[in-house]
Amino acid sequence: RKEVEQDPGPFNVPEGATVAFNCTYSNSASQSFFWYRQDCRKEPKLLMSVYSSGNEDGRFTAQLNRASQYISLLIRDSKLSDSATYLCVVGVISSGSARQLTFGSGTQLTVLP
Amino acid sequence: DTAVSQTPKYLVTQMGNDKSIKCEQNLGHDTMYWYKQDSKKFLKIMFSYNNKELIINETVPNRFSPKSPDKAHLNLHINSLELGDSAVYFCASSLRRGDQPQHFGDGTRLSIL
Repeated sequence: RKEVEQDPGPFNVPEGATVAFNCTYSNSASQSFFWYRQDCRKEPKLLMSVYSSGNEDGRFTAQLNRASQYISLLIRDSKLSDSATYLCVVGVISSGSARQLTFGSGTQLTVLP
Repeated sequence: DTAVSQTPKYLVTQMGNDKSIKCEQNLGHDTMYWYKQDSKKFLKIMFSYNNKELIINETVPNRFSPKSPDKAHLNLHINSLELGDSAVYFCASSLRRGDQPQHFGDGTRLSIL
């Protein structure tokens, strides 16, 4: 089982649509959670952190369910500029107590005019 | 005033050669990372350094050798390049703990002929 699993998509949605991405993680001791965005041929960039109580940043809402080890990202009123790959990222403690981020393989979103 | 800068951006070379990639960050972070993103877009950590000390060394061929002269720099030297080394290599940095948000350089696209 992969440490972080995402539906790879692609998701093709019209402008203005609401789209939701899901992610599951395997390490129950994970303590930090993020969504990153990666545009084609660019570096990953932090979109938002994910907190236990759920959090919102403009059109983006992130939720965390620790019991189910599940993370979600909701994008409302999607824009053409939202087209990108969305990476689910989980902070884990690796062997030797080192802390690191584990990245999902990403969900590709294309917003169509 | 780029936060995390890598050089070169593109590297095309022949099998068997030795090459280096440099990375510098001016964010005042004390932890730096090297990631490899292959053709399937999966982003995987290779190494992590905290204050010049190696703290993560994933299963990577020993042809790959990181070097951190100070906490603002992390270089990657690759010996005897192989076809399978073709990928995008990203440098990243973060403050203290490795499970906190990381800032990425814009990547080095390595192509082996």
